[in-house]
Amino acid sequence: SQTIHQWPATLVQPVGSPLSLECTVEGTSNPNLYWYRQAAGRGLQLLFYSVGIGQISSEVPQNLSASRPQDRQFILSSKKLLLSDSGFYLCACGSTTTEAFFGQGTRLTVV
Amino acid sequence: QKEVEQDPGPLSVPEGAIVSLNCTYSNSAFQYFMWYRQYSRKGPELLMYTYSSGNKEDGRFTAQVDKSSKYISLFIRDSQPSDSATYLCAMNDPSRDTGRRALTFGSGTRLQVQP
Repeated sequence: SQTIHQWPATLVQPVGSPLSLECTVEGTSNPNLYWYRQAAGRGLQLLFYSVGIGQISSEVPQNLSASRPQDRQFILSSKKLLLSDSGFYLCACGSTTTEAFFGQGTRLTVV
Repeated sequence: QKEVEQDPGPLSVPEGAIVSLNCTYSNSAFQYFMWYRQYSRKGPELLMYTYSSGNKEDGRFTAQVDKSSKYISLFIRDSQPSDSATYLCAMNDPSRDTGRRALTFGSGTRLQVQP
């Protein structure tokens, strides 16, 4: 079965600082990978998805970017964080079936 | 209008009660339906996964899909305090391109089971 590793679990960053969140997947190959953001008390908003190495699609124009340098590695980045980037970031993996498996998330607070 | 609507709760029930959680949706192309449980500060975990209309049972959990009404339900029998969590419905349109088959989520219902 698939396992998704996501780190760090908690992050506090000042406004204007860079961001790098990493997600790695075990137990599957060539997965679809996703970054979601969850605001407090709200559903999951899809930010980026990737169907393969170097292939990134953005769902929402924003201050963030994503990269997939390896088959099972997905990175979420920002050059300069905004207060509005605070939230709970979740990496997810889906393959030939359509359900998604999630990592444990990173709680980002921009101060 | 949101594609998926879900009452945010909180829903508070006594231990042992039967819990009913529901979602409605507007996109008739949705074919796959899922329920996720999310404990505080954790990632969602998949509970139930159904395709098209019908019922599916797994232990104390039963998922129902009524595509004609665009309505899905999750029933929890003999609820336990450990069931206290946020429950998210999710659904998927397989006609979309492969990468875009990301799930569309409801906003989640917070459930509290009182001992």
